[in-house]
Amino acid sequence: EDQVTQSPEALRLQEGESSSLNCSYTVSGLRGLFWYRQDPGKGPEFLFTLYSAGEEKEKERLKATLTKKESFLHITAPKPEDSATYLCAVPVVSGGYNKLIFGAGTRLAVHP
Amino acid sequence: DTGVSQDPRHKITKRGQNVTFRCDPISEHNRLYWYRQTLGQGPEFLTYFQNEAQLEKSRLLSDRFSAERPKGSFSTLEIQRTEQGDSAMYLCATSRGAVNQPQHFGDGTRLSIL
Repeated sequence: EDQVTQSPEALRLQEGESSSLNCSYTVSGLRGLFWYRQDPGKGPEFLFTLYSAGEEKEKERLKATLTKKESFLHITAPKPEDSATYLCAVPVVSGGYNKLIFGAGTRLAVHP
Repeated sequence: DTGVSQDPRHKITKRGQNVTFRCDPISEHNRLYWYRQTLGQGPEFLTYFQNEAQLEKSRLLSDRFSAERPKGSFSTLEIQRTEQGDSAMYLCATSRGAVNQPQHFGDGTRLSIL
């Protein structure tokens, strides 16, 4: 069964304290992995797509990496405005389209 | 891009009433998805349209739910005879045609059943 698991469920950091979020997946025939950021009361905001093992993408203080079984979202020197829920998702391809299977997310709180 | 637009943002209704939500996609996106998200969980897939054709429905979508996308533009999701368990955030996402293109989400409609 296709599955995405994120850890930790919640993470509290001090401003400037770097850390990593984990996303592990089991899916037949990975066709990419997506990271999203979600603020309270808002829809998920697209951050990154990773297509193959070894690939890395960066945006400001965020860097996403991908292996054959998991992905990491590294947050370097976070600021309070990085506080959000971070979701990862994998596409399950059927009939030429992809529906996304999401993890439950990691709720990140960055305190000054 | 003008983003995905959803209306209303919030809907409060009594159990047993019918509700309808609307999604306006990014203009050049031909693929449209509906998801449902409950507190503390990631979004769950409900249904998918390519242009005006509804190509997939999740088992989560009972016969009280119906979705349409006339003319391949905006989409509506209707829930008939609402139940307490229908309380959730209903999210619409759209994407370009290629399979590995990212889906872009609207800010959802939060449904509360009294």
